[in-house]
Amino acid sequence: AQSVSQHNHHVILSEAASLELGCNYSYGGTVNLFWYVQYPGQHLQLLLKYFSGDPLVKGIKGFEAEFIKSKFSFNLRKPSVQWSDTAEYFCAVRSNSGYALNFGKGTSLLVTP
Amino acid sequence: NAGVTQTPKFQVLKTGQSMTLQCAQDMNHEYMSWYRQDPGMGLRLIHYSVGAGITDQGEVPNGYNVSRSTTEDFPLRLLSAAPSQTSVYFCASSLQGLSDTQYFGPGTRLTVL
Repeated sequence: AQSVSQHNHHVILSEAASLELGCNYSYGGTVNLFWYVQYPGQHLQLLLKYFSGDPLVKGIKGFEAEFIKSKFSFNLRKPSVQWSDTAEYFCAVRSNSGYALNFGKGTSLLVTP
Repeated sequence: NAGVTQTPKFQVLKTGQSMTLQCAQDMNHEYMSWYRQDPGMGLRLIHYSVGAGITDQGEVPNGYNVSRSTTEDFPLRLLSAAPSQTSVYFCASSLQGLSDTQYFGPGTRLTVL
């Protein structure tokens, strides 16, 4: 069955610490990959996406993600987090049918001052 | 553009009651979808539509109906509410498909007693 796994359900970091959130998916073929963020009390918004080309993609607010095809991974990174990065982060992958996105269960990030 | 709008923001129902969650978008997007978000479960696709008059089931369609009579509107109907349908419901739209960037509405928080 197709699945998207986010390994870290809850992450707590101090400001200025580096962040890496893992995302793995279970199926091959052409994939479209996304990271969405949900800030407290707000709706989901796109952080970044990968469709093709350079596997290192840069998104908003200093986030980046690297697509490693051989590892079926699309990990999200940020060199130095800020308190305002406190949010829930969702990885999403296009399904083989192409008619839906499969979302991971999310990672809740708390950044402490 | 207002983007994707949802009403109501909050709703409390009793078991067995029916209601319709409204979703509208003004971006002329062909693709629209409904997700539910539950703690630790991420987002799960309920129903989606690839254009006016065309709908299909997602991952968790039971207990929900949809219709798409216009490009702008995609209401979600709960026929007989159950406590298991307590959740936050998000409507999303996209221009080039469900695997394209999704634009999410602000969500409806539904509680079924």
